[in-house]
Amino acid sequence: SAVISQKPSRDICQRGTSLTIQCQVDSQVTMMFWYRQQPGQSLTLIATANQGSEATYESGFVIDKFPISRPNLTFSTLTVSNMSPEDSSIYLCSVDWSAGGGYTFGSGTRLTVV
Amino acid sequence: QKEVEQDPGPLSVPEGAIVSLNCTYSNSAFQYFMWYRQYSRKGPELLMYTYSSGNKEDGRFTAQVDKSSKYISLFIRDSQPSDSATYLCAGTTGNQFYFGTGTSLTVIP
Repeated sequence: SAVISQKPSRDICQRGTSLTIQCQVDSQVTMMFWYRQQPGQSLTLIATANQGSEATYESGFVIDKFPISRPNLTFSTLTVSNMSPEDSSIYLCSVDWSAGGGYTFGSGTRLTVV
Repeated sequence: QKEVEQDPGPLSVPEGAIVSLNCTYSNSAFQYFMWYRQYSRKGPELLMYTYSSGNKEDGRFTAQVDKSSKYISLFIRDSQPSDSATYLCAGTTGNQFYFGTGTSLTVIP
């Protein structure tokens, strides 16, 4: 399976600022996924990032709030923009290494907005 | 109705006990089923992956799928303190993944 390096592992940010989360995969993958994990809730898919095209966002998530870059087949970034305390959560990137057979997740970014 | 329902627990068992973790799902299109283990401050780690109804065993872990009742289970034999984590079940149609909320497990030495 793929190995994912995600950073930062955690951050505390002021409201109104932005944070960019980076995700590096040790092999080339077509799609990368960004999830949010809030306490007591399921993992929620934010968007799917394909190399060379615009990311596809799920209902409730918009590009202005969560811009995503995917410059090559091993790297992606997610920016959480104009943050509010409601954005406090764990953000995870993942790849599907076996065509629907399972995700590998990064270690996550624990974001606290104050 | 959520795609995948999972009892959040918490579940606390003594070391050596057999643990049973369960989920139900509603989507008949699910083809694959997974169990993830998530330690505190870590990302989810794929533990078991199954395709068909029946049992799949890997060491102390057994994943069970009953498609007729839309029920998936994970059994942990001879549980160890290192098994203390949150366990998430998931189903996928092949295109989209749906996760349970996770069950928090503590194995007491």
